Amino acid sequence: GQSLEQPSEVTAVEGAIVQINCTYQTSGFYGLSWYQQHDGGAPTFLSYNALDGLEETGRFSSFLSRSDSYGYLLLQELQMKDSASYFCAVTPGFQKLVFGTGTRLLVSP
Amino acid sequence: KAGVTQTPRYLIKTRGQQVTLSCSPISGHRSVSWYQQTPGQGLQFLFEYFSETQRNKGNFPGRFSGRQFSNSRSEMNVSTLELGDSALYLCASSVGGGTGANVLTFGAGSRLTVL
Repeated sequence: GQSLEQPSEVTAVEGAIVQINCTYQTSGFYGLSWYQQHDGGAPTFLSYNALDGLEETGRFSSFLSRSDSYGYLLLQELQMKDSASYFCAVTPGFQKLVFGTGTRLLVSP
Repeated sequence: KAGVTQTPRYLIKTRGQQVTLSCSPISGHRSVSWYQQTPGQGLQFLFEYFSETQRNKGNFPGRFSGRQFSNSRSEMNVSTLELGDSALYLCASSVGGGTGANVLTFGAGSRLTVL
């Protein structure tokens, strides 16, 4: 099976940089994704790593290291609107995501 | 273009009843998957359909079932409801096809409360 662990909560101030870690135990997967979910909203796709290394999408970057069973999401120039829950997820099979425990990010002024 | 539409958005049922939730995917998306979200268990995969075929199923009891129609719309059904079935049920659609990068677009969800 798969299990993905994330810190339950991270706090930061506007303009700062924050890293949300995701450690996993899984027998195999195609890639690591990140999703953002605001309170009362639907999860929205942020980033996907098929290969080890860094993927950059605007203020967001995501990293994967399969040898370390580890990934992270890096958010730069934090804004208040970034306050949300963030989920990592692996793709073990057809259009199936196994989500991590989720990290609640609180951005303060 | 229109997003993923789920109906109903909110519903209240009592134990023992059954419920059917509906999902209309983004036009052109052939894969529809369902997830259950609860504070205790987080986001859990229920099943995925592509071209009316279930390709993958999560670890849920047989009371949870689904289907997909030829127009890619999908329904999920939960029979003999239990209190623990109270959750937000999310539908997601994607282009589908092979494995690999699968960007899911989620609907707003159907919030089920079982009393």
